[in-house]
Amino acid sequence: KAGVTQTPRYLIKTRGQQVTLSCSPISGHRSVSWYQQTPGQGLQFLFEYFSETQRNKGNFPGRFSGRQFSNSRSEMNVSTLELGDSALYLCASSQIGAGGTDTQYFGPGTRLTVL
Amino acid sequence: AQSVTQLDSHVSVSEGTPVLLRCNYSSSYSPSLFWYVQHPNKGLQLLLKYTSAATLVKGINGFEAEFKKSETSFHLTKPSAHMSDAAEYFCVVSDSGGYQKVTFGTGTKLQVIP
Repeated sequence: KAGVTQTPRYLIKTRGQQVTLSCSPISGHRSVSWYQQTPGQGLQFLFEYFSETQRNKGNFPGRFSGRQFSNSRSEMNVSTLELGDSALYLCASSQIGAGGTDTQYFGPGTRLTVL
Repeated sequence: AQSVTQLDSHVSVSEGTPVLLRCNYSSSYSPSLFWYVQHPNKGLQLLLKYTSAATLVKGINGFEAEFKKSETSFHLTKPSAHMSDAAEYFCVVSDSGGYQKVTFGTGTKLQVIP
């Protein structure tokens, strides 16, 4: 089976712009979670989608949003970019949802740089 | 509530010597515990997973971890370090009490000296 794929791998944007990142989960996985990773804050949970519904959300401002399509592919959007949004954004997929015994499988990430 | 503490932010070992990365957890329910590895500019790769079966869990690349409930620990070990083991390692706890109750540790950077 193919692993989790994320596109694009690298992005450079300027403050005030918006960005959309894409994640394709492992075939058959219905849950997609997004994380932000920075040197200062480590790995922080953004949100999780399951069957096109946001099931859980981390403590991030409303500028961060996401959605999931019927084929389980997910996108996240960040509007009005700030310098502090520069980070590695990781997507993880799992069969029924992270939590409990289910395992999350991670993509390679999208490196976002905001200038 | 759940939490996970990785006791060392950096660990340095010589190639061929044992590796010990320490992790303590706190969980209100029977936890699932994971170790992931992240090489520079890469995503996280699952090393191993504990889900209340055998307390000694064997993973990939010669790593293993032992679940000790009395000590609330899940330390990661490897008998002999290899240069390719140099990476950052994350301990993760997941509660059975609800979905998406996943907490990541702050990570331990492993340096392997030739």
